[in-house]
Amino acid sequence: DTGVSQDPRHKITKRGQNVTFRCDPISEHNRLYWYRQTLGQGPEFLTYFQNEAQLEKSRLLSDRFSAERPKGSFSTLEIQRTEQGDSAMYLCASSFETKQDVLTFGAGSRLTVL
Amino acid sequence: AQSVAQPEDQVNVAEGNPLTVKCTYSVSGNPYLFWYVQYPNRGLQFLLKYITGDNLVKGSYGFEAEFNKSQTSFHLKKPSALVSDSALYFCAVRRVNTDKLIFGTGTRLQVFP
Repeated sequence: DTGVSQDPRHKITKRGQNVTFRCDPISEHNRLYWYRQTLGQGPEFLTYFQNEAQLEKSRLLSDRFSAERPKGSFSTLEIQRTEQGDSAMYLCASSFETKQDVLTFGAGSRLTVL
Repeated sequence: AQSVAQPEDQVNVAEGNPLTVKCTYSVSGNPYLFWYVQYPNRGLQFLLKYITGDNLVKGSYGFEAEFNKSQTSFHLKKPSALVSDSALYFCAVRRVNTDKLIFGTGTRLQVFP
């Protein structure tokens, strides 16, 4: 197992376009988290899944954002009608349910909206 | 509301000297506290956590942190810094009845040879 994988590592898009990020967690982990990190800030929680169920969403996750984890394995985060304020690093992390505080993070997907 | 403050953007220390990276928190109820480290081009890595019990918590790579309830602090420490410890360090807090971590803004640690 090579850890948490995120794809693409960098995405440049024009304002108004849709983008999708994929996260492949550690296979044994049943929890998967999405965070967003902007320059000079710490990661901000967006949402998390336990298996395929989305259990919590932040108010930061506007209706332009949607996350799925259809089979309880990989997850996608889609941003519709991107805005310049969406430019950030999108981080995925996974964990065991019984060790929920020990998150293993991926290297992130950097989004630049022009 | 819960929050974490890391008052120093950067900490500079000479190799071999002790280091401290400061963190204070604000949360209702008993806090769960954490330190994560971020190396360039790599994901954040868990260092240590405080849930309950002994106020001095030991973690990975020789790091430790001291929980001080009266000062609402959770400072990260290491007796002897290494150049390889140079990285971005994040303090985080979680409230008992939630599953999300609230991170501080991070402190860049620079260890000079």
